[in-house]
Amino acid sequence: GAGVSQSPSNKVTEKGKDVELRCDPISGHTALYWYRQSLGQGLEFLIYFQGNSAPDKSGLPSDRFSAERTGGSVSTLTIQRTQQEDSAVYLCASSFRGQPGEKLFFGSGTQLSVL
Amino acid sequence: AQKVTQAQTEISVVEKEDVTLDCVYETRDTTYYLFWYKQPPSGELVFLIRRNSFDEQNEISGRYSWNFQKSTSSFNFTITASQVVDSAVYFCALSEGRETSGSRLTFGEGTQLTVNP
Repeated sequence: GAGVSQSPSNKVTEKGKDVELRCDPISGHTALYWYRQSLGQGLEFLIYFQGNSAPDKSGLPSDRFSAERTGGSVSTLTIQRTQQEDSAVYLCASSFRGQPGEKLFFGSGTQLSVL
Repeated sequence: AQKVTQAQTEISVVEKEDVTLDCVYETRDTTYYLFWYKQPPSGELVFLIRRNSFDEQNEISGRYSWNFQKSTSSFNFTITASQVVDSAVYFCALSEGRETSGSRLTFGEGTQLTVNP
C-alpha cells in the first residue's frame, strides 16, 4: 500500500479481555516495528520483525503481549487479559530492509482504551 | 545502553519567532544515526531528517536547520520564522548500527511546540 495502515484506529475494551491490533506495512518493506506511546512515557519500542521472524522482541512488557507476522506482510499484536495500564496508542512502522539507519515510516496508530 | 534526552517538555512561541529544540544523546557505539520526527495532532510521525555519526555537517532545509555536535553529543533542531503549522510534538531519536535490531529507534520524550498567531 501507499503507507502503513493500522486497524482499528480506536479500540475500547474491558479489563481482562483480549485484543488484536493489526498493521499492514508498506508493500515491499521487509522490516516491521511495533511501538507504544503512553501519556508521559514517550515512545517505547516493543518488537522488531525481519520478514516473519522477530530477532528483537526485547521491548514486550510481559507475556500477555505477543506478535506475529505472516507472509512477510501483515502483523498482529495481541494483548491478552488487558489491564488498564495497557491503555496507550500502539504505533506500527516499517522500513525497507531493516538496515541500521533506515528511515521508519509510521502508521497513524491504534488508540487502545481499557476500561 | 542508548538514551535520548529532550529537556524541553513544552515550548510556546509567537509566529515568526525562531525556536530551537534541544536533543542530547548517549551511546557507546561509534556508528549510529540520529533522527528528528514530527508528530502533528493527527498522530502520524513524519520523518524530518537523518544524520549518521560520521557526518557532522550542519544541514538546512528551508526554515529548518540542524546542528550536530559530537563533542557535546547534541543534535539540535532550529525552526526559523516559525508558523502556526509548525505546532506539533517533535521527537529526536537514535538508531545504533546493530543489524539484529534493524533500524530500531530509541526516542526522546518529545517537545510539544505551540506556535501562536
